[in-house]
Amino acid sequence: DADVTQTPRNRITKTGKRIMLECSQTKGHDRMYWYRQDPGLGLRLIYYSFDVKDINKGEISDGYSVSRQAQAKFSLSLESAIPNQTALYFCATSMTGVGTGELFFGEGSRLTVL
Amino acid sequence: KQEVTQIPAALSVPEGENLVLNCSFTDSAIYNLQWFRQDPGKGLTSLLLIQSSQREQTSGRLNASLDKSSGRSTLYIAASQPGDSATYLCAVSWVKAAGNKLTFGGGTRVLVKP
Repeated sequence: DADVTQTPRNRITKTGKRIMLECSQTKGHDRMYWYRQDPGLGLRLIYYSFDVKDINKGEISDGYSVSRQAQAKFSLSLESAIPNQTALYFCATSMTGVGTGELFFGEGSRLTVL
Repeated sequence: KQEVTQIPAALSVPEGENLVLNCSFTDSAIYNLQWFRQDPGKGLTSLLLIQSSQREQTSGRLNASLDKSSGRSTLYIAASQPGDSATYLCAVSWVKAAGNKLTFGGGTRVLVKP
């Protein structure tokens, strides 16, 4: 089984719908992250969490929200999906340390908003 | 502005040739630099993490060097194989990065021809 698991792996939805992407990890890491990847724009940080009570915005948090339900679970929500949120979304984890530390990624969730 | 650049964007080599992948960054005050591999439609796999105090890291056929003064890292893959075909990304964690952000380069897409 993968250490960092994302569900769903693929999702097609319509504009205005609420979508939740879920991430769970078995690595025992305290830090979790959500990134999106777009062709030509690379990976960009949406939100990150250093522990259950710590949530921080990344560089592109508008239109997204997150919930850290437990140390092992970090979900990303799109309250009202729009087409330019079509992208590949990645969850990542790392251990507390200096700087970002070594990141471990899930397999990704491909979201298409029509 | 803190930026990470990877040139070239794509590279094709015959099997057996050594691969040299370049990563440059604009600010030498880094915590660490990480190299990843990404297969099409897949997540990112961590290859090597180099801490700011280190000059290089090695894992099997992979060797990554770090020269902070010139703002460069190089990933060497010895005796390339078709299975090495993938996109390789480097990412930098800067001391002064707002929100502990890890900044990714655009990646180098590698094709190793049998």
